Amino acid sequence: QSALTQPASVSGSPGQSITISCTGTSSDVGGYNYVSWYQQHPGKAPKLMIYDVSNRPSGVSNRFSGSKSGNTASLTISGLQAEDEADYYCSSYTSSSLYVFGTGTKVTVL
Amino acid sequence: QVQLVESGGGLVKPGGSLRLSCAASGFTFSDYYMSWIRQAPGKGLEWVSYISSSGSTIYYADSVKGRFTISRDNAKNSLYLQMNSLRAEDTAVYYCARQQLVPGWFDPWGQGTLVTVSS
Repeated sequence: QSALTQPASVSGSPGQSITISCTGTSSDVGGYNYVSWYQQHPGKAPKLMIYDVSNRPSGVSNRFSGSKSGNTASLTISGLQAEDEADYYCSSYTSSSLYVFGTGTKVTVL
Repeated sequence: QVQLVESGGGLVKPGGSLRLSCAASGFTFSDYYMSWIRQAPGKGLEWVSYISSSGSTIYYADSVKGRFTISRDNAKNSLYLQMNSLRAEDTAVYYCARQQLVPGWFDPWGQGTLVTVSS
């Protein structure tokens, strides 16, 4: 199972919006609405930000939103803040009943 | 509060074995699927294995199939990962995570335990 493809880095100024893409195939992202997104600060464990493509867990800022079109899922962070600087990973369930993560995206707040 | 605490990591020689543990608290452990997910130094996340709430359903990533064994003891609120025939490429921080439904998402995660495979 190959990792989902994410851009290596995305940057934006405070207050701006950025979007991180996550591209897979019809056997994972495109085949199921089971995409989740995780935020990871250096030296910390990942934290769930979005589940089932577009649902936000309790306690996660509404500045984070998710969507999907075809084989590509996206995470949008609006009103970018310094605390959003971190690594972000997508994940998807697959047709083999396994899970696959994305390659990861480093978000930099300029 | 919900808490997952991994232990058992350390330095092991190639070909060696190690058993990781994950102690769960703050929720009804026997109600949830659980997963192991790893992260090599400076690299991305890689899902390793999951086990159903009863232990009857288990899946592994191809990279560890036949070498790793996931198990759980619901009476002890504990998850385990027996790792045999370890290779240098198994060097990583290993996280346990509660799996919300199947298919589902991973929340929360433990703090991780480092496994280093080196001679």
